[in-house]
Amino acid sequence: EAQLLQSGGDFVQPGGSLRLSCAASGFSFSLYAMTWVRQAPGKGLEWVSSIRGSVGGAYYADSVKGRFSISRDDSKKTLYLEMNSLRAEDTAIYYCAKEQSRTIFYGMDVWGQGTTVTVSS
Amino acid sequence: QSALTQPPSVSGAPGQRVTISCTGSSSNIGAEYNVHWYQQVPGTVPKLLISGNNNRPSGVPDRFSGSKSGTSASLAITGLQAEDEADYYCQSYDSSLSGSVFGGGTKLTVL
Repeated sequence: EAQLLQSGGDFVQPGGSLRLSCAASGFSFSLYAMTWVRQAPGKGLEWVSSIRGSVGGAYYADSVKGRFSISRDDSKKTLYLEMNSLRAEDTAIYYCAKEQSRTIFYGMDVWGQGTTVTVSS
Repeated sequence: QSALTQPPSVSGAPGQRVTISCTGSSSNIGAEYNVHWYQQVPGTVPKLLISGNNNRPSGVPDRFSGSKSGTSASLAITGLQAEDEADYYCQSYDSSLSGSVFGGGTKLTVL
């Protein structure tokens, strides 16, 4: 069974940094694109970033471009989200998700359990 | 404001049929990009309900169906059940944003 196990969420001050991890199991990780989605308290889903499978081209929402960096280590079957210059509006539950294809934006069929990031002074 | 517009809420009685609309533009749905639908029961992880406009992943009941026409897409739920009460989100790619977009979400209440 395909699974994603997330870690790294924490409480951080504005301007701080955090790295989220997402460990995959039960599927050929390197063959699939991966995506981060976030959900602010009481709000809807917001796409954050995606990375292609194998040859990983990366894509970012305007709200995080230049501050967040997505990467993957196929040997460790792990997806990462490096978050810098954090702002209060980045406070959310962050989900990692597996795309249904090596190419992005084909629908996300496996989701992590979510990890909470709180940015506050 | 999202590039994809959904009604904030819809409701229906058990057994009825409801539809949830997702209105986009020429840079997303109208540009022939696929639409996906997700179900999120409050407090739980989102679940893929429909992919590629009208394809149901394994395990999703055939009471759920998707369609797309022009710059809009719709999710239809027939034979409404209490367990269908959840938030529903549409998603597509937007060429003007060079990224994915979600609709604002629709809360389905089963009366």
